[in-house]
Amino acid sequence: NAGVTQTPKFQVLKTGQSMTLQCAQDMNHEYMSWYRQDPGMGLRLIHYSVGAGITDQGEVPNGYNVSRSTTEDFPLRLLSAAPSQTSVYFCASRKNWGEAFFGQGTRLTVV
Amino acid sequence: AQKVTQAQTEISVVEKEDVTLDCVYETRDTTYYLFWYKQPPSGELVFLIRRNSFDEQNEISGRYSWNFQKSTSSFNFTITASQVVDSAVYFCALSEEWGAQKLVFGQGTRLTINP
Repeated sequence: NAGVTQTPKFQVLKTGQSMTLQCAQDMNHEYMSWYRQDPGMGLRLIHYSVGAGITDQGEVPNGYNVSRSTTEDFPLRLLSAAPSQTSVYFCASRKNWGEAFFGQGTRLTVV
Repeated sequence: AQKVTQAQTEISVVEKEDVTLDCVYETRDTTYYLFWYKQPPSGELVFLIRRNSFDEQNEISGRYSWNFQKSTSSFNFTITASQVVDSAVYFCALSEEWGAQKLVFGQGTRLTINP
């Protein structure tokens, strides 16, 4: 049971570099989302998708892009990394307002 | 707009004490769903419970219990006879029926159980 697979687990970027965080789920869930977790801030929603071809912004979308070409995949792109994007990132999927299933997280450091 | 507030940033108790984690939510929807998640030191997010807005019955699962009160917009979580393994960050979350399934989290409460 793979569930939600998120890669990489750790990443260090230099300011200005770009990268893509990968997220894949094998549960045929329509809803997928990305969160960032910062100390004292909880989990804040970056972007979400309710199905292939449909994405929308969450609470903190600036500096991030997403696309949803298939039901399974929902990559998160950092266009030009900034130190403020140092965080732990979680991908999640869920079905019909049920529980969300989370990936293991990506710890990103931007120097 | 949906919002979740967990006013307790950190709680520290001695093992075997009972502890209650508070969660207050805001929503304009009549149909919504409330959740609790646990994040142990290893970092993964573990689902604990889901509750819909039409079910106000309290729930008990072993040492865990949840008190849902629509009148005060609260969904509190109590751990009875706490154990060191309960040490974690606990998150409360809300999803509105008409909110495109967005799941919004509170800030989290860091619970430390001391031996």
